[in-house]
Amino acid sequence: GQQLNQSPQSMFIQEGEDVSMNCTSSSIFNTWLWYKQEPGEGPVLLIALYKAGELTSNGRLTAQFGITRKDSFLNISASIPSDVGIYFCAGPSTSGTYKYIFGTGTRLKVLA
Amino acid sequence: DTAVSQTPKYLVTQMGNDKSIKCEQNLGHDTMYWYKQDSKKFLKIMFSYNNKELIINETVPNRFSPKSPDKAHLNLHINSLELGDSAVYFCASSHAAGEQFFGPGTRLTVL
Repeated sequence: GQQLNQSPQSMFIQEGEDVSMNCTSSSIFNTWLWYKQEPGEGPVLLIALYKAGELTSNGRLTAQFGITRKDSFLNISASIPSDVGIYFCAGPSTSGTYKYIFGTGTRLKVLA
Repeated sequence: DTAVSQTPKYLVTQMGNDKSIKCEQNLGHDTMYWYKQDSKKFLKIMFSYNNKELIINETVPNRFSPKSPDKAHLNLHINSLELGDSAVYFCASSHAAGEQFFGPGTRLTVL
């Protein structure tokens, strides 16, 4: 079945550093969503991408829809301690438009 | 103010018991979902309802039975709880097949 692989699996960075993570699939996606999950909370939608090549920002976060439509990237600039959490990518499954596949997650820890 | 709410937040119960988790959304969405997040944090869809009609029913034991009394509510009833049911269960909602908004989760622990 469809899978979304995220890398890196986890990262420890210093406050102020920039962060890059990606999400790849063996199949094409028409939508990419990026979520952040903080400890003890539900995932919160950060950015939605709908078009190949699209670059969208939300504050210090920038996400890109890869031109092959098989990948997406999320960058965080000038990280701060509250950026800590798990970042998930997600996209609609080919087996049903209402069914979204979630990636394996990138766990981010920021050291002050 | 809460967009998607779930009760209870925590649920600790014995094996073999029956329990329910409730979800409500005030976003006016027509589609609601139940997800299971395991200890490795993998999020997996279980069920989805669109306008009170079941549209996604993944390979889930039939001990799990969702019920949607109206578009704003989706409950999950679990019979004969097993140790392996311990996980965090998330409710989510969306407008049609659009972006999904999640509740805070219910951490279920089966002893």
